[in-house]
Order: sequence, then C-alpha cells, then structure tokens
Amino acid sequence: GEDVEQSLFLSVREGDSSVINCTYTDSSSTYLYWYKQEPGAGLQLLTYIFSNMDMKQDQRLTVLLNKKDKHLSLRIADTQTGDSAIYFCADHTGANNLFFGTGTRLTVIP
Amino acid sequence: DADVTQTPRNRITKTGKRIMLECSQTKGHDRMYWYRQDPGLGLRLIYYSFDVKDINKGEISDGYSVSRQAQAKFSLSLESAIPNQTALYFCATSGTGGPVRNEQFFGPGTRLTVL
Repeated sequence: GEDVEQSLFLSVREGDSSVINCTYTDSSSTYLYWYKQEPGAGLQLLTYIFSNMDMKQDQRLTVLLNKKDKHLSLRIADTQTGDSAIYFCADHTGANNLFFGTGTRLTVIP
Repeated sequence: DADVTQTPRNRITKTGKRIMLECSQTKGHDRMYWYRQDPGLGLRLIYYSFDVKDINKGEISDGYSVSRQAQAKFSLSLESAIPNQTALYFCATSGTGGPVRNEQFFGPGTRLTVL
C-alpha cells in the first residue's frame, strides 16, 4: 500500500520560515493536500497541488512538488505563533482515497 | 453550527464492552469516512462509504464495524473494545470530483479510552 512519511517534529522561531517535508510512494497520485490540525480539533484543509504542477503559492504558503522524487514540501513564510499545529500531507491516489502522513508537529518559539 | 458532528466527544470504557461512535453531517456529501489517529502514526482509514448502500473496509478495519443509516449519518462500532483501540477517532465527509470537491471535512474527534 501507499506510504506517506513526514518527520514528526519541527521547531522554528517566530518570523522565520518553516519548511515541512513529505515523501510518498504511489506514482498514481492525482493531487496532494496539506491539512492543519490545531489542538483539540479536527483537520482543516490548507492547500492542495495537482500532481502535474511543480509549485503553488497561496499567500504565506508555498507548496513544492518534485514528482520524480515523490517529495512534497510546505513552506510557511513569516511563521507566527498561531501556526503552531500538526501538519499532515495527504496523497489522493487513483483508488479515490486519501493516504495521510504521520503528521509534523510545528512549534513556533516566540 | 458545525457541519460534521461527532458524539460522544470523550468516552472511557472497559475491555469487552460494545461502543458506538456516531457521526452526522449537514454538508449534503455522499462520501463519509472513519479514521483513527495515534501519535506518530498519523490518520489511518478504518471504513469508508461512498453512498448509503456502499461500505468499504479501509486499512485497519479489524475489530470495527460501521453502519450508514442515512446519507447524513455514519456510525462506527467496536463490538468488543480492547485497550489498543484507545485512540482519537475522526469522522470525515467529502464530495466527489477534483481536489476541491474531494476535500475532506473533519469532525472534532472522539477521544476513546479503553481500560
């Protein structure tokens, strides 16, 4: 089955950029998502990228996709304390399901 | 009002007990999902349903069953709870067709503890 991997923890200082990385294994991915989970809450969609795109920018968020290496990243510019959360990448495959990564807990240090 | 609701929000139970977790949605979506979240393991799919007459096993369905009572309701049962089913359980819904319509909307989660 599909494997989606992320590092578990990331700490950054307020105002710096954060880069959260994700690797996946299924070459039939159609699009990939980034979800954010705040404490005590469910997941909320942040952004997505089609598998035939290299980059997508959405305000402070930049998503980079290297399809050859099956590597996805999420860059958050000017990271704020409100960005502290768990971030999940998710891969939508031809099977019409989402496979979630392990989640990266981002801690923003004031 | 929340679009996806889950009841109960917290539950503590004993080994061997039968437990039902309920999910309701007002988004009008056909597709509904049950996931469990464990630290360091992310979300894993338990069951999913693409419409009222369609039920499918996910990655980790053993020990669980589901019922799709209506388009808006999808319940998850643990017939005989065991301690390694202690986890945070999420219900989600989605439409169909492209990344925006396939976006999954999540409920607030049910924290289940099996003693």
